This record gives sequence, structure tokens and C-alpha cells, in this order.
Amino acid sequence: AQKVTQAQTEISVVEKEDVTLDCVYETRDTTYYLFWYKQPPSGELVFLIRRNSFDEQNEISGRYSWNFQKSTSSFNFTITASQVVDSAVYFCALSGQGAQKLVFGQGTRLTINP
Amino acid sequence: DAGVIQSPRHEVTEMGQEVTLRCKPISGHNSLFWYRQTMMRGLELLIYFNNNVPIDDSGMPEDRFSAKMPNASFSTLKIQPSEPRDSAVYFCASTPGGIGPAGVGYNEQFFGPGTRLTVL
Repeated sequence: AQKVTQAQTEISVVEKEDVTLDCVYETRDTTYYLFWYKQPPSGELVFLIRRNSFDEQNEISGRYSWNFQKSTSSFNFTITASQVVDSAVYFCALSGQGAQKLVFGQGTRLTINP
Repeated sequence: DAGVIQSPRHEVTEMGQEVTLRCKPISGHNSLFWYRQTMMRGLELLIYFNNNVPIDDSGMPEDRFSAKMPNASFSTLKIQPSEPRDSAVYFCASTPGGIGPAGVGYNEQFFGPGTRLTVL
């Protein structure tokens, strides 16, 4: 069975602080993909990043960075110099072998206070 | 380009009534997914289609739920009869489809704005 765990239910920080959202996954598949999605207060789900299991390179996109570590089955997401507009619920998800469906974590509600 | 379109955006109905949610995927996408989001259960996959064919409906809660995809540009999710516990936000998502290495689906899913369903 596949599972994604986001242990942090809620995080609250002050603007300009750095914040890391944790994601731990379980799968027996040797090939899989990991995703992060953002759900702002307006409600839609916005795709942020996809990473395949063969590529452990970290990725940086502006203030966002992702740290994929296969050894610890983690795919953590860091926002540097957070801004109020980053306030949202963030979901980590997994797509395993033989299927296109995504298994989502429970989400982390991030609040950035001015 | 238009994204995934869902209608209605909000639906309020009474217990026992039939509810039909509609989705138009992004043109050219060949996989379509229906999700339900609640505070208690988070995001749950209900059913997904490849090339209009249902592939996995194991997430459909019970016989009161049914989904169809009569063509590549339209899908419906029907609840009959509806119950208060069906109250949730229902999302439709589509993806270009395609399977990556070793049979793993790799395309990101593009989500619609959701339908907020309230059953009184």
C-alpha cells in the first residue's frame, strides 16, 4: 500500500521567515513520482512540482526549494523569505507503479503573518 | 487556454435529492479524475477514466454514487439519493495521460475550481 504522511497539520510563521514543510512517503515501488500542490484560500489546487524517483537532485525555483531524499523517503518543501501570499494548504502526493492516480497526504496549513 | 471547468460551483440540495456534478477536462487530456475533499478525510480519489473508460472506481463510496464519461470532453458525477454526509468539495482533474518508466503515471494533474456541495 502507498501512503503519504504530512505530520505538520498547521504551521504559523511571521513574514520573511523560512519554513519547511515535511513529507514522508511509503511505497514498495521502485519507480514512482512525487508532487507538491498548493491550495490557496480560493480553493483551487495548483501544481507546484513533480519529481521522479530516479532524480534525487534538489530543485530551486525562486523562493521555493525541494529536498528529495530516497534514503529517508522524504520530499520536503522549503519556502525562503516567506510572504503573506504563501498562506495556503500544501499537499504532497505520490504516484506509483502501474497507475496514474495520486495518493495525497493530509496537507499542511501554512499561515504567514505580517 | 481554458482550464478544467466544473459546474455548478455551488450546490445546495435537500437530502434524498439527485445531484449531478459536471466536468469538462482540458482539451487533449485523456485522463480524468474525480476527487472529494472533506475536513475529516482529506482528498480522496473517487474514480478515474482513461480515454473515457473507467479504470479504477474503488474510491466510490457506495452505489448511490455513479460517474460517466460519454466523450472526451465531458464527465458527470451523480449522487442519488444524496445524504448530508455527502457534503464536501468535489474536484475534477485532468492530465495529458501517458505512462512514464516502468508503467508509472507521471503527468501532473490539473484541477478544476471544485463544486461545493451542501446536502441539508
